[in-house]
Amino acid sequence: DAEITQSPRHKITETGRQVTLACHQTWNHNNMFWYRQDLGHGLRLIHYSYGVQDTNKGEVSDGYSVSRSNTEDLPLTLESAASSQTSVYFCASSANSGNTIYFGEGSWLTVV
Amino acid sequence: RKEVEQDPGPFNVPEGATVAFNCTYSNSASQSFFWYRQDCRKEPKLLMSVYSSGNEDGRFTAQLNRASQYISLLIRDSKLSDSATYLCGERGTASKLTFGTGTRLQVTL
Repeated sequence: DAEITQSPRHKITETGRQVTLACHQTWNHNNMFWYRQDLGHGLRLIHYSYGVQDTNKGEVSDGYSVSRSNTEDLPLTLESAASSQTSVYFCASSANSGNTIYFGEGSWLTVV
Repeated sequence: RKEVEQDPGPFNVPEGATVAFNCTYSNSASQSFFWYRQDCRKEPKLLMSVYSSGNEDGRFTAQLNRASQYISLLIRDSKLSDSATYLCGERGTASKLTFGTGTRLQVTL
């Protein structure tokens, strides 16, 4: 079955380190998204991509970057991890505008 | 003002009760709307899309009121298994979804 997978599922890292969260989907979806979810804030969009070589900033993009070198993957990089980036990160994808967005299982990141 | 707002709850209801959630949105150009269900420590999963004419799926009914800019979710005959957080989402002219903070529902015996 086609799916969307995230790795690692859980990570603890130190302040200042670079961290990359992987997202891989096998649906051949054009659109991919990264959200973070925090108590009191809900899901907030970090970055998104409408296709290969396309990336866009979302609501809370500072300190994060993404790259889209192929259809299947949208890795999220924290350039220099900060404690404020401790959160649950969800990757998501959809085929086209108007279609359902499907979420990965989430990556729990703790920055100490 | 947030683009999408929800009452965080929690809504505590007995099994068998009917419960309704509202979600307001600020973008009058919003194209489509959705309700997602999220269980504790799990990913959000689509519950239903919200159409202009309203739609129903078993015990769940979703409505859209464009004039007042809100969507609603009605759950009839609540089950213990309905306990979860319900997220509303709206999509404007782009493909990205903007979500509310979620409404927590707890169904009790």
